[in-house]
Amino acid sequence: DIQMTQSPSTLSASVGDRVTITCRASQSISTWLAWYQQKPGKAPKLLIYKVSSLESGVPSRFSGSGSGTEFTLSISSLQPDDFATYYCQQYHTYSTFGGGTKVEIK
Amino acid sequence: EVELVESGGGLVQPGGSLRLSCAASGFTFSSYEMHWVRQAPGKGLEWVSYISSSGSTIYYADSVKGRFTISRDNAKNSLSLQMNSLKAEDTAVYYCARGTYCTNGVCYLDYSDYWGQGTLVTVSS
Repeated sequence: DIQMTQSPSTLSASVGDRVTITCRASQSISTWLAWYQQKPGKAPKLLIYKVSSLESGVPSRFSGSGSGTEFTLSISSLQPDDFATYYCQQYHTYSTFGGGTKVEIK
Repeated sequence: EVELVESGGGLVQPGGSLRLSCAASGFTFSSYEMHWVRQAPGKGLEWVSYISSSGSTIYYADSVKGRFTISRDNAKNSLSLQMNSLKAEDTAVYYCARGTYCTNGVCYLDYSDYWGQGTLVTVSS
């Protein structure tokens, strides 16, 4: 099974900060990686697929990069609506989610 | 507008069974792969099961293999998850999620672009 490890598990930041979240796969997943945002009591929302493709309607301050086993999600200038939990997902072999990164207000 | 509405959750005793349903609308259901994903209270997301657009290809997470059965009825735009031999660790919100479009009926297990609101399953005596 492919394991996905996200870091950090919690991130404290201020509005306007640049934020980076890392996701590491236990083996190569090529570019089969997606990122989701989830707010309390809500369903996850797709942000990025295939490492760096932005889902329609997602603000351009979100971006993704990486390949193989190491990937990052970046938010160029954190907005109030961005405080949430973020998950990576591999879909190279079946599917596995990372443990999540909670972005909280500093 | 794409809409996925789960139902069937509730309280069940350990060892019991429950059947979840997901009603899909706003897209050509028969052309899309579908997933079930769950989230235990206060925990992260866990992929549970996948079914291709025709239902011919099915996958399960090891944690539910042999106990859960995914199925779909393309005529009724409906996805189901039959859950048997339920355990306390199956307690979670269960989400129905749409995968990607299957071109010419060929599907590749992929990310999910639309999710339902979830239905809570509680396994407890």
